Amino acid sequence: AQTVTQSQPEMSVQEAETVTLSCTYDTSESNYYLFWYKQPPSRQMILVIRQEAYKQQNATENRFSVNFQKAAKSFSLKISDSQLGDTAMYFCAFMKHSGTASKLTFGTGTRLQVTL
Amino acid sequence: NAGVTQTPKFQVLKTGQSMTLQCAQDMNHEYMSWYRQDPGMGLRLIHYSVGAGITDQGEVPNGYNVSRSTTEDFPLRLLSAAPSQTSVYFCASRSRYQGEKLFFGSGTQLSVL
Repeated sequence: AQTVTQSQPEMSVQEAETVTLSCTYDTSESNYYLFWYKQPPSRQMILVIRQEAYKQQNATENRFSVNFQKAAKSFSLKISDSQLGDTAMYFCAFMKHSGTASKLTFGTGTRLQVTL
Repeated sequence: NAGVTQTPKFQVLKTGQSMTLQCAQDMNHEYMSWYRQDPGMGLRLIHYSVGAGITDQGEVPNGYNVSRSTTEDFPLRLLSAAPSQTSVYFCASRSRYQGEKLFFGSGTQLSVL
């Protein structure tokens, strides 16, 4: 079974600064996907970024980037130029590559507050 | 394009009552699933389906039933509601052939008194 650990329950960052959210996972699989989801107060689950384990290059999406360290089983999210709209709960999630239907394993989340 | 639609958005039940949470998607996705979200525990998989007529249990299936008679619909039934089922419930769908992205509904906040 897979486990996903987010060790930072809450974080705060000032507007325009950079913040990094941590995520580690445990699996015996060699091919899988990793995701970061954002959940604002509206409750909607929004996909921020995804990474395929067989790709060595770290994924980037505008101000969001990841540091994927496969050997260390680490998958951190960096948010650059933080904006007030980034205030949300952030979840790290794992999915096996094949035969997985929609079976995501989530971490417990990090609540990010962006302040003026 | 509506995506994944969940109804109701909010529901209050008394212990022992039964109800069905509805989930429908209009993207012709093969895979559908139900998650529950509890404070401090992230989202956990309840049941999932890989196609019409096929369902299976996830991590926390006790107290819930599902069926998948059509590709579009995947209702979640609470047989006899308990306070421990107070949670936010999310339905999600994914295409088997078009990538790994999961599409989530907007969630149902359920309170069992």
